[in-house]
Amino acid sequence: EIVLTQSPGTLSLSPGERATLSCRASQSVTSRLLSWYQQRPGQAPRPLIYASSTRATGIPDRFSGSGSGTDFTLTISRLEPEDFAVYYCQQRDTSPTFGQGTRVEIK
Amino acid sequence: EVQLVESGGGSVQPGGSLRLSCAVSGFSVSRSYISWLRQAPGKRLEWVSDIYSGGQTYYADSVNGRFTLSRDNSKNMLYFQMNSLRVEDTAVYYCARLFTGSFWYLDLWGRGTLVTVSS
Repeated sequence: EIVLTQSPGTLSLSPGERATLSCRASQSVTSRLLSWYQQRPGQAPRPLIYASSTRATGIPDRFSGSGSGTDFTLTISRLEPEDFAVYYCQQRDTSPTFGQGTRVEIK
Repeated sequence: EVQLVESGGGSVQPGGSLRLSCAVSGFSVSRSYISWLRQAPGKRLEWVSDIYSGGQTYYADSVNGRFTLSRDNSKNMLYFQMNSLRVEDTAVYYCARLFTGSFWYLDLWGRGTLVTVSS
């Protein structure tokens, strides 16, 4: 099983600041099978990024993804109030797994 | 409207059974790949099961042999039969459409249904 470890666990930032979230895999993940999801409180997750760097439909361009192999990054260039949420990475290279999530909270 | 809507959650004692449903609208289940995922309180998301357009089903080791995923193409519905439930199966269960091709990701999610296993 590929274990995904996200860091930091919690990111405390102010609106307008830049957020950088990390997702590290225990073994190499095919980039086209790595995706990111946002989950707001009480809501279902929604897709943000797929194939490591492609924004899902309707996702604003302040969200970007990068990385390859075992290290992947989600960047939010300027935080908007609605971006304060929990973010998960997921791989489907082998039996699907998710990271433990990074909570982006208002500082 | 393109959506998935889960139902059937509730409270059950350990060892009991429950059947979840996922009603699909706006696309055909018979031509789609669908995943079931769950999220225990305060925990990370966990993949539970897949059903492919060809009918093949796959399960996480934690539920294999206890849970069965099926679909009714005529009703555009999916069913998740959960038997021998354990306390650790307590979670919100989501069905989600799996976009496949050159890349795979969950492009459409239901709102989820809560399953509580407790004595």
